[in-house]
Amino acid sequence: EAGVTQFPSHSVIEKGQTVTLRCDPISGHDNLYWYRRVMGKEIKFLLHFVKESKQDESGMPNNRFLAERTGGTYSTLKVQPAELEDSGVYFCASSLRASFSYEQYFGPGTRLTVT
Amino acid sequence: AQSVSQHNHHVILSEAASLELGCNYSYGGTVNLFWYVQYPGQHLQLLLKYFSGDPLVKGIKGFEAEFIKSKFSFNLRKPSVQWSDTAEYFCAVNGGSGGYQKVTFGIGTKLQVIP
Repeated sequence: EAGVTQFPSHSVIEKGQTVTLRCDPISGHDNLYWYRRVMGKEIKFLLHFVKESKQDESGMPNNRFLAERTGGTYSTLKVQPAELEDSGVYFCASSLRASFSYEQYFGPGTRLTVT
Repeated sequence: AQSVSQHNHHVILSEAASLELGCNYSYGGTVNLFWYVQYPGQHLQLLLKYFSGDPLVKGIKGFEAEFIKSKFSFNLRKPSVQWSDTAEYFCAVNGGSGGYQKVTFGIGTKLQVIP
């Protein structure tokens, strides 16, 4: 069974540019999560989808970040326009359920560098 | 909000030394507890998890963790580390006041094992 995949693995962009990150969850997993780790800090929750619906986007930093999950399959996270403080590793995770005893499976992450 | 504290940010051990990484979480009701590991260049992987039952949990690669409810702790242990255990270790929690939809991570502990 394929795990969670993310694309690209690395992205280097200039301040003010736009970047779109993609996540493909494990097949059949309705729940998809985005997390971010800024260098030297904790991995922090950004948002949670159930199928195509946003259940919780309380962790999104600001309105420069837009996440979508059209059709309830893969998800994209767009940063527009990117700022220096957006640099970090963006992780995606998926789970079968979002409840007690269901673990989240993480992707390899996308390392974003904004210069 | 749920929070997780990891006591050591960087640990250096010689092979065959014993390991104990501290983790405390803030009280917020019934929680699930996890230790994740990220080996250099690899995904975040689940090392072990506690949902309920026996508070001494055994994971992969000889790791174990003990849930002590009265201390809100979930320390990770291994009796004898190997060079291949060099990685970053994350304590994490979901449930409680944070809900099961998001995982709250500690800042991570980088373990370096010297041959």
